[in-house]
Amino acid sequence: DQQVKQNSPSLSVQEGRISILNCDYTNSMFDYFLWYKKYPAEGPTFLISISSIKDKNEDGRFTVFLNKSAKHLSLHIVPSQPGDSAVYFCAASDASGTYKYIFGTGTRLKVLA
Amino acid sequence: EAQVTQNPRYLITVTGKKLTVTCSQNMNHEYMSWYRQDPGLGLRQIYYSMNVEVTDKGDVPEGYKVSRKEKRNFPLILESPSPNQTSLYFCASSINRFHEQYFGPGTRLTVT
Repeated sequence: DQQVKQNSPSLSVQEGRISILNCDYTNSMFDYFLWYKKYPAEGPTFLISISSIKDKNEDGRFTVFLNKSAKHLSLHIVPSQPGDSAVYFCAASDASGTYKYIFGTGTRLKVLA
Repeated sequence: EAQVTQNPRYLITVTGKKLTVTCSQNMNHEYMSWYRQDPGLGLRQIYYSMNVEVTDKGDVPEGYKVSRKEKRNFPLILESPSPNQTSLYFCASSINRFHEQYFGPGTRLTVT
């Protein structure tokens, strides 16, 4: 069973517009969520995170929203730039004491110039 | 420079031949982890370590072993590799689970 789901395998957005990447989770014990970006032939790099006690966190062009009741988080990129083209993974950390990290399957974002 | 290093970066081997992928970090991080990335499955955690001599299973530990004898090193051992372990492997480290993980560049393993 996939505890963290990214239902959109790919997304294309025009440069300058908003990119919205979505992530759903099933485990109510997740208390810390992160987004990573991955370019080909490189390891993932951290983008932004949010604790379950918050519903929004912002860092420059990147904002993460958390809706705990819906078990849903989203990453907004405004404005989108061609350099944002990459695969984006959401990840969740389990508070039940296992210290595991669960990643989603990723969304490939393509920003068109 | 703060970094996570993995070696080798590429490896082709045969079924049953034991191998070790090394991972080292220079950030004095307590938490280290191994992941495999497969098409359509994202990143799946194999093993993680909270500190020296403390390791635990992730979601896909079968066929793998790890050890954490020193804080900086976290090798991944495949005692008897099989073709279904052909994958892209990433090592990562973080201060603790409430901080972002820093990932290594990856090791592409092919088992024939």
